[in-house]
Amino acid sequence: DIQMTQSPSTLSASVGDRVTITCRARQSVSSWVAWYQQKPGQAPKLLIYKTSDLESGVPSRFRGSGSGTEFTLTISNLQPDDFATYYCQQYNSLFTFGPGTRVDIK
Amino acid sequence: QVQLVESGGAVVQPGGSLRLSCGASGFKFSTYGMHWVRQAPGKGLEWVAFIRYDGTTQNYLDSVKGRFTIFKDTSKNTLYLQMNSLRAEDTAIYYCARLQYQLLVRGGFDYWGQGTLVTVSS
Repeated sequence: DIQMTQSPSTLSASVGDRVTITCRARQSVSSWVAWYQQKPGQAPKLLIYKTSDLESGVPSRFRGSGSGTEFTLTISNLQPDDFATYYCQQYNSLFTFGPGTRVDIK
Repeated sequence: QVQLVESGGAVVQPGGSLRLSCGASGFKFSTYGMHWVRQAPGKGLEWVAFIRYDGTTQNYLDSVKGRFTIFKDTSKNTLYLQMNSLRAEDTAIYYCARLQYQLLVRGGFDYWGQGTLVTVSS
């Protein structure tokens, strides 16, 4: 199975900041990476698929990039609603989630 | 609108069995692959199982192979997860989720249920 890592594990930021989360795969997953947002007590929500495609209804301040083994999720102009945990996921070979990055208020 | 509603979670003893259900509505269930994903208390997400839209292929997390079975009843628009030989480490919220594309096997998980809690404890 393909292991995924994320960094940082926790990120403290302020409203209006730009934040970047990095996701690395143990081997190439081509562009088959998705990003999810999860808030406490809620199911995850799909934000981005195929590395950089924005899911319908997701604000354009979310942007995904990368290829092969390294991927990033960038949130520009962080909003109060964005404080949550973010997971990357590969679906090149079965499915694996990263361990998550919690974005909290500085 | 698309809805996924899980049920069947319970407290069960180690070695016991449980069947989870996921009722689907608002889309053509027979044309979408479906997943089970779990989340242990305070932990991250872990993919558990996938069934192809036509039910012909199933894939599993290594640690549940031979113990869990994913299947679907298209006539009832319901996805199932039969869990046998349960272990303490299977304790988690179990979510069902839809693969985002019809008639394909690769994609993100675009709709999720609210989850059902399985606790394995004596």
